[in-house]
Amino acid sequence: NAGVTQTPKFQVLKTGQSMTLQCAQDMNHEYMSWYRQDPGMGLRLIHYSVGAGITDQGEVPNGYNVSRSTTEDFPLRLLLAAPSQTSVYFCASSRDASGTNTGELFFGEGSRLTVL
Amino acid sequence: KQEVTQIPAALSVPEGENLVLNCSFTDSAIYNLQWFRQDPGKGLTSLLLIQSSQREQTSGRLNASLDKSSGRSTLYIAASQPGDSATYLCAVYTGANSKLTFGKGITLSVRP
Repeated sequence: NAGVTQTPKFQVLKTGQSMTLQCAQDMNHEYMSWYRQDPGMGLRLIHYSVGAGITDQGEVPNGYNVSRSTTEDFPLRLLLAAPSQTSVYFCASSRDASGTNTGELFFGEGSRLTVL
Repeated sequence: KQEVTQIPAALSVPEGENLVLNCSFTDSAIYNLQWFRQDPGKGLTSLLLIQSSQREQTSGRLNASLDKSSGRSTLYIAASQPGDSATYLCAVYTGANSKLTFGKGITLSVRP
């Protein structure tokens, strides 16, 4: 059982380039989300989705786009990469997003992005 | 706005010691609280999930308690081992924007 799979694990970009971080889960989870983790800032929510076709913004959505065309996949797109987007990105999923019975949150291994 | 605090930021203990990691939150209207472990360069692994109606959860040498009214949770680790060295984060779920609010974590080092 793979759980939450993120690719790539490492990426170096130049300012202004674009790229997509991939996230896939095989647990049939409704809820998926993207976080970034920076030293001294903790984990901050970028975007999340409570089901296929539904996405919403988190704390720090600027500069990122997401889509949820299937239950399994939740890619994160950086449109015009900036050095401020240098970070470690985590995708996470949980069983449901009802708000009253949210299950455990399962994380991927992370994608370390450097923007020069 | 929910804020989650974990103090101290780092802790070093000798092997075998029983220890308590603290987590406090400002808004007591939570649905649940989770404790996670993060090893260097890795993702987060869920350790324990406590629903708002529960007082504690146990898994092996770990026991987590929740006191909603005072906005506190503790993670108790019995008979600590060097393999317990990691960063421990707590996170609370309030339902607003389907968002978990994380603390910044406590980096634990267990000395052999």
